[in-house]
This record gives sequence, structure tokens and C-alpha cells, in this order.
Amino acid sequence: GAGVSQSPSNKVTEKGKDVELRCDPISGHTALYWYRQSLGQGLEFLIYFQGNSAPDKSGLPSDRFSAERTGGSVSTLTIQRTQQEDSAVYLCASSSHYDSSGANVLTFGAGSRLTVL
Amino acid sequence: DAKTTQPTSMDCAEGRAANLPCNHSTISGNEYVYWYRQIHSQGPQYIIHGLKNNETNEMASLIITEDRKSSTLILPHATLRDTAVYYCIVRVAPNTNAGKSTFGDGTTLTVKP
Repeated sequence: GAGVSQSPSNKVTEKGKDVELRCDPISGHTALYWYRQSLGQGLEFLIYFQGNSAPDKSGLPSDRFSAERTGGSVSTLTIQRTQQEDSAVYLCASSSHYDSSGANVLTFGAGSRLTVL
Repeated sequence: DAKTTQPTSMDCAEGRAANLPCNHSTISGNEYVYWYRQIHSQGPQYIIHGLKNNETNEMASLIITEDRKSSTLILPHATLRDTAVYYCIVRVAPNTNAGKSTFGDGTTLTVKP
């Protein structure tokens, strides 16, 4: 696609429910990142996928959070038993090793806003 | 990735140059300096990057000190639409396994009429 697509754009859920957030990266981008941004805060790194390598999960805040990337393309971030503190905007970005400009720029999606009641 | 330090907020008059500083004293030799900005309710957008030489593009200029421990992003003629949060990050060289990129809290730039 032309850009990074995230869905849903907004999700309201009840405490204790599971949610899935989806990211469609730019076609051909080998790297995919998930970040979380709480209201008025900076970006908090969650997880990073690069090709077929094992993902860097060092930013996941608890074992309720998990992510997968199928076929090296679409990624799903799953939050189990959601808590109110999980309320935030979840941002996905992708980049390419082989960016023609050589910049290896992260291109971000518009984010998925999660509200846990 | 090296950590960066930026002022929390800055103001700038419309039409004047906005100079946003960033400290990255622990930067490694293979790490580049990248700048992104985030306009309200949008995802961050790439602005510019550099290694050691000063860089300029249609959006901004990047000045990196000789010791590479700090840099300044310059918006030469700020407009109201430049009001945003500006993030300075450092990450390994392009076209390598870049790994995760750590964003701090950034600088909130407010351009005033």
C-alpha cells in the first residue's frame, strides 16, 4: 500500500476484555515496529520485527501483551485482559533496509486509539 | 541506541527561524541522528537525518557538532503549521539491521502569530 495502515482507528473496550490491533506495513518493508503513546507522553517502544529474525520484545510491558507478524507482512498486537492503564494510542511503523534513499526511515501509521473503560 | 535529551517546550514567532537543540552525548560512531515531528493526532513524520555533516532538505536543516554530541534542527521560516512535537533520535546506520528506535518525550514547538 501507499502507507502504513492501522485498524481499528478507535477501539473502546471494557476492562478484562481482549483486543487485537492490526498493522499493514508498506509493501516490501522488512522491519515493523509497535509503539505506545499515552496521553501527552512520548513514544514507548513495544516490539520490533525484522525479516525472519526473532522479534525484539524487550519493550512489552507485561505478558498480557503479545504480537505476531505473519508472512513477514501484516502484524497483530494482542492485549489480553485489558486494564485501564492500557488506554493509549498504539502506533505501528515500518521501514526498509533497502530504501532507495538510504535513509531507513520509519513510516508511521495514524495509530489505533484504545480506550479501556 | 544512544539516548537523547531535548527541552520540553519552545516557542517561536511565525516567520522566524526555529532552532531545536538535542543532546546525544553517548552517540556511537555508527549511529545517525534522525529528526521526526508529530502533529496533533497524527503519527510521527520523518524530517531529516545525518551522520556528521550538516544536512539540508526542503523541510529543514540539521547542524551536527564536530564531536557529534549534540545537534540542532533548524526550521528556517516557521509557520503555524510547524507547531508539533519534535523528536530527536539516534539509530544505527541506514541499510543495516537498525533494531529498535527509542523515542524520548521530544520538544513541543509552538509557533505563535
